Amino acid sequence: TQLLEQSPQFLSIQEGENLTVYCNSSSVFSSLQWYRQEPGEGPVLLVTVVTGGEVKKLKRLTFQFGDARKDSSLHITAAQPGDTGLYLCAGVNSNYQLIWGAGTKLIIKP
Amino acid sequence: ETGVTQTPRHLVMGMTNKKSLKCEQHLGHNAMYWYKQSAKKPLELMFVYSLEERVENNSVPSRFSPECPNSSHLFLHLHTLQPEDSALYLCASSQDQALKRDFGPGTRLTVL
Repeated sequence: TQLLEQSPQFLSIQEGENLTVYCNSSSVFSSLQWYRQEPGEGPVLLVTVVTGGEVKKLKRLTFQFGDARKDSSLHITAAQPGDTGLYLCAGVNSNYQLIWGAGTKLIIKP
Repeated sequence: ETGVTQTPRHLVMGMTNKKSLKCEQHLGHNAMYWYKQSAKKPLELMFVYSLEERVENNSVPSRFSPECPNSSHLFLHLHTLQPEDSALYLCASSQDQALKRDFGPGTRLTVL
């Protein structure tokens, strides 16, 4: 069974701080997606990374796909209360299926 | 309406009730999905419909019965549920089972 482990499960920090959350697996994925889910809403796709070692930036968010395509990280610089939400990663396996992580719940305090 | 809508947003039901969840997508997509989201667990894919035909059913108990009358609408009929079925039920759509999913806001279901 393919698993995607996300860490930490929960993170609460002050506005202005930096943070990194992780998405790890022992399996190789052809691509990996990051979603953000705000309270009372469904997940919204933020980015897809495809190439090993790829780095993508979305304003203050930096996404990296591991060289071996087994792991990914999301780094947020100068976090703001609007970044609060559940961050989900989902990897695409060789059967073209989405394998989901359990998410990191992020709270940014003003 | 835009995107994917779901009704009701919240539902409380007893174990002997029958209820239905409704999903509508306004994106012109041809594939629709039901997911179950429980706290601290990965999203569980329940059903996949492509061109109104069920193409995947991930060992979901028969007390959950999906219906897809056309490419824009998806229902989940609920019957004699258990308390452990309490969760957020998310509907999603995509074009040609592409991997990018557009999700609805979900129905928060509580089974008493």
